[in-house]
Amino acid sequence: KAGVTQTPRYLIKTRGQQVTLSCSPISGHRSVSWYQQTPGQGLQFLFEYFSETQRNKGNFPGRFSGRQFSNSRSEMNVSTLELGDSALYLCASSLTTSGGHNEQFFGPGTRLTVL
Amino acid sequence: AQSVSQHNHHVILSEAASLELGCNYSYGGTVNLFWYVQYPGQHLQLLLKYFSGDPLVKGIKGFEAEFIKSKFSFNLRKPSVQWSDTAEYFCAVTASGGSYIPTFGRGTSLIVHP
Repeated sequence: KAGVTQTPRYLIKTRGQQVTLSCSPISGHRSVSWYQQTPGQGLQFLFEYFSETQRNKGNFPGRFSGRQFSNSRSEMNVSTLELGDSALYLCASSLTTSGGHNEQFFGPGTRLTVL
Repeated sequence: AQSVSQHNHHVILSEAASLELGCNYSYGGTVNLFWYVQYPGQHLQLLLKYFSGDPLVKGIKGFEAEFIKSKFSFNLRKPSVQWSDTAEYFCAVTASGGSYIPTFGRGTSLIVHP
């Protein structure tokens, strides 16, 4: 079974631009969660989507948004990029929810660098 | 809100040494606990998880963790590490019955010298 895929793998943007990241979950998984990973902060939860609806949201500004399509694929958008947005953005999928005792399956991440 | 603390940020060991990585969480209710590992250049993957039953949980590659409810801890252990265990380890918690947002610790970087 194919794993979680994320595109692109690497991105370089400048301050003020916007960016869209894509995630394809494991087939049959309906929950997709997004995380920001930085060396100092570890993984920080951005949001979770389930059946095209945002179910949970972390403590990030409104510049960070996402959506999920009917085939469970998800996109994350960051507008008005700031230098501090440079990070590895991870997508994780799970069968039903990112919570409870469901295991999350992570993708390889998208490395975003903001100059 | 729940939080997770991993006190050891960097650990350096020689092969065959024993390993214990600390993980403490703060949440008053029922929790589900996880350890994930990220090997160099690879995806995060699950090592083991606890949600009920025997508090001593065995995972892949010889790892185990013990849930001590009174100490709010879920420490990861391995009796004898190998060079291939070099990786970053993350403890995570979800709260049963409440917000399901997974909370991760900041990670522990383990380097094992051959």
